[in-house]
Amino acid sequence: EDKVVQSPLSLVVHEGDTVTLNCSYEVTNFRSLLWYKQEKKAPTFLFMLTSSGIEKKSGRLSSILDKKELFSILNITATQTGDSAIYLCAGRSGTSYGKLTFGQGTILTVHP
Amino acid sequence: GAVVSQHPSWVICKSGTSVKIECRSLDFQATTMFWYRQFPKQSLMLMATSNEGSKATYEQGVEKDKFLINHASLTLSTLTVTSAHPEDSSFYICSARPSTSNEQFFGPGTRLTVL
Repeated sequence: EDKVVQSPLSLVVHEGDTVTLNCSYEVTNFRSLLWYKQEKKAPTFLFMLTSSGIEKKSGRLSSILDKKELFSILNITATQTGDSAIYLCAGRSGTSYGKLTFGQGTILTVHP
Repeated sequence: GAVVSQHPSWVICKSGTSVKIECRSLDFQATTMFWYRQFPKQSLMLMATSNEGSKATYEQGVEKDKFLINHASLTLSTLTVTSAHPEDSSFYICSARPSTSNEQFFGPGTRLTVL
């Protein structure tokens, strides 16, 4: 059974701090690792990682995948209150029509 | 960009009634749609994978007779929660995968409350 584990489950920081969110995965016929941000509604897409060692960056957010260790991290630098959300990672399988297996999520709270 | 809509966005119903939730891909054709359920402060759990014109594939532990899925066209999938009970109260989210891509685009979700 496919499994994705995130840590920490929750994190409270102050504005300006840098945070690192972790995601480990065991996914049959793994194809890619995706990161999402969820506020009050459905998740919004952040990154899709397919290759090891290539950092993807978008503003203050960056992410990298290690396919040997079955691990990914999401970094957020200079956090802002608007970064408060649940961050979800998901492993995509190459079988089963590309279904996603989600981790439990990390609840990030950024205080002013 | 690819847009997926869900209807209704929220619904309150009495225990024992059935509720239908629609998921539509508005500007693309989706051969595959996925239905997820999310309980408060928990992650998204895949319930079933729905392919146009064929029977849905349900995840372990999800009752197919209780959660009826119909994917009758390339732009519409429906989830019917039959004989709903309070424990079915949850946030139901669909996603749609275009025929030409491996990406999934999420709908805005439907919050179901069963009294």
